Amino acid sequence: SQELEQSPQSLIVQEGKNLTINCTSSKTLYGLYWYKQKYGEGLIFLMMLQKGGEEKSHEKITAKLDEKKQQSSLHITASQPSHAGIYLCGADNSGAGSYQLTFGKGTKLSVIP
Amino acid sequence: KAGVTQTPRYLIKTRGQQVTLSCSPISGHRSVSWYQQTPGQGLQFLFEYFSETQRNKGNFPGRFSGRQFSNSRSEMNVSTLELGDSALYLCASSLVAGGNYGYTFGSGTRLTVV
Repeated sequence: SQELEQSPQSLIVQEGKNLTINCTSSKTLYGLYWYKQKYGEGLIFLMMLQKGGEEKSHEKITAKLDEKKQQSSLHITASQPSHAGIYLCGADNSGAGSYQLTFGKGTKLSVIP
Repeated sequence: KAGVTQTPRYLIKTRGQQVTLSCSPISGHRSVSWYQQTPGQGLQFLFEYFSETQRNKGNFPGRFSGRQFSNSRSEMNVSTLELGDSALYLCASSLVAGGNYGYTFGSGTRLTVV
């Protein structure tokens, strides 16, 4: 079965600092989703990556998928308190006929004003 | 357009009881999947339905079941509740299931078993 490992587990940064969250898969990824979650709430979609070497940006968040499609990173530039939350990566297995997402354990981000 | 609606938002049940949770997907979406989120295990896949058919099931005991109606609304049922069933239950809706269509999650139902 596929496993996703996220690092770090938690992160505390000063407002304005840059940060990176990593997600490593035990198998080649068909697709990789990034979500953000506020405690006890639903998941907010950030980005989806499918192609090796793909990079997408939205506002101050950039996500990349490596050429081998086994590792992804999420980079936040000039962090703000609104970026605080839990970031989750999810592997999309629909390409293999399995209609489910396999998630990492999440990275808890705190941003100190 | 309206998002994914889960009801109720909060539930408190007693051990041994059963519970039914509801999920209304985005209009036009035919795939609904369910996930359980706990502090220890994280997010775990329960099952996925497409056009009233269960296509995938996660590694959960038979006490966990679900169904999907012709209007794509889905329900999940947990019988003989155990303390360990306390969790946030999330449903996700997709036009087909994954790929370019993505998954949109609801706000979840927080179940507490006492």
